[in-house]
Amino acid sequence: GAVVSQHPSRVICKSGTSVKIECRSLDFQATTMFWYRQFPKQSLMLMATSNEGSKATYEQGVEKDKFLINHASLTLSTLTVTSAHPEDSSFYICSARDRGQVYNSPLHFGNGTRLTVT
Amino acid sequence: DQQVKQNSPSLSVQEGRISILNCDYTNSMFDYFLWYKKYPAEGPTFLISISSIKDKNEDGRFTVFLNKSAKHLSLHIVPSQPGDSAVYFCAASAPTSGSRLTFGEGTQLTVNP
Repeated sequence: GAVVSQHPSRVICKSGTSVKIECRSLDFQATTMFWYRQFPKQSLMLMATSNEGSKATYEQGVEKDKFLINHASLTLSTLTVTSAHPEDSSFYICSARDRGQVYNSPLHFGNGTRLTVT
Repeated sequence: DQQVKQNSPSLSVQEGRISILNCDYTNSMFDYFLWYKKYPAEGPTFLISISSIKDKNEDGRFTVFLNKSAKHLSLHIVPSQPGDSAVYFCAASAPTSGSRLTFGEGTQLTVNP
């Protein structure tokens, strides 16, 4: 089945620094990747949709200059949290859509990245 | 505006009995619904889905029921096993959303031995 790999699984950084999270599709080509964020005991909130070779589409309320998304190839998307602050501490999860996949088929998710900003 | 709602934050069931998790939605454009299972510090794992042209889909111990008129779906797990203990998320997508999923808040299922 479709495997999505996310790295790192957890990261601790100091306030003001930037952190990059990678999302890779291991056995398929992903034209579209999605970045979600989950706060404790809350739902997964879509942050942005990343399309290969084009700019990401951000959801309302998500700062595109703070959460930089790059989808440079069909198997890799990256999320960079710039100038991280403690309120950015959260669980970030990516998912990917196979280029041959129709919309009404399940998305597969990475294992998430726990970001802690001190 | 919470378009997908899971009103029960938690559910506790005895092993071997049926678990019923519920989900309501408000967006009439949703036509594809999914259930995901999630453990702490892991990504969601797909369980089962249903298209709006159906009212039931079954896969082993898992059955999803869809009531379009009530905008309600439910996940039945029978028999429940301790390994089913996890957070279950209901999700939905619309034809215009391009695979974007809208998630409910999740229900913590605990299956007691």
